[in-house]
Amino acid sequence: AQSVTQPDIHITVSEGASLELRCNYSYGATPYLFWYVQSPGQGLQLLLKYFSGDTLVQGIKGFEAEFKRSQSSFNLRKPSVHWSDAAEYFCAVAVNQAGTALIFGKGTTLSVSS
Amino acid sequence: EPEVTQTPSHQVTQMGQEVILRCVPISNHLYFYWYRQILGQKVEFLVSFYNNEISEKSEIFDDQFSVERPDGSNFTLKIRSTKLEDSAMYFCASSLGQGSWETQYFGPGTRLLVL
Repeated sequence: AQSVTQPDIHITVSEGASLELRCNYSYGATPYLFWYVQSPGQGLQLLLKYFSGDTLVQGIKGFEAEFKRSQSSFNLRKPSVHWSDAAEYFCAVAVNQAGTALIFGKGTTLSVSS
Repeated sequence: EPEVTQTPSHQVTQMGQEVILRCVPISNHLYFYWYRQILGQKVEFLVSFYNNEISEKSEIFDDQFSVERPDGSNFTLKIRSTKLEDSAMYFCASSLGQGSWETQYFGPGTRLLVL
């Protein structure tokens, strides 16, 4: 069965430092992969998504993610974190290409220290 | 920017009571979804809805759950007889089209507490 693992429950990064949030997936075929962010009181907002092609995907707010098939990973990165990036981040995979259900990881809470 | 809205933001109910969670999807979207997140667990897919019919549902979405689009703007999730384990954050989402490549836009959620 398809699954998503986010190994880090909580990460603290200094403002201005680089960030990498890990995501591993289990899926038989080429996955459709997503990163969402949730700020307090807000809905889940799509940061970026990968379907095919270039394995390095650019998203909003300066985020990028790299799809590595050999490692079954889709890690999210940002070169320089801002205090406003503090939020909860969710990695998700689509169940199948024609379907609509997303399978989410448990999420990683990012704290930013000054 | 258009957004998905949900009401109420919080709801407390007694076990066995019926609750209706409301959502207003983005106006030109055609596909609607409910997800839930039990505290400390993953966000889980419940159901998708299109053209007044359920498109997909998970095994969580049993007979105590139902969805409806009662008018042109609202999308509701009804839980007929709530159980303690229904306590969770419920997210509504909508998308313009169907398919895994379509972006699903999520609302802020309704936190349901069943006592």
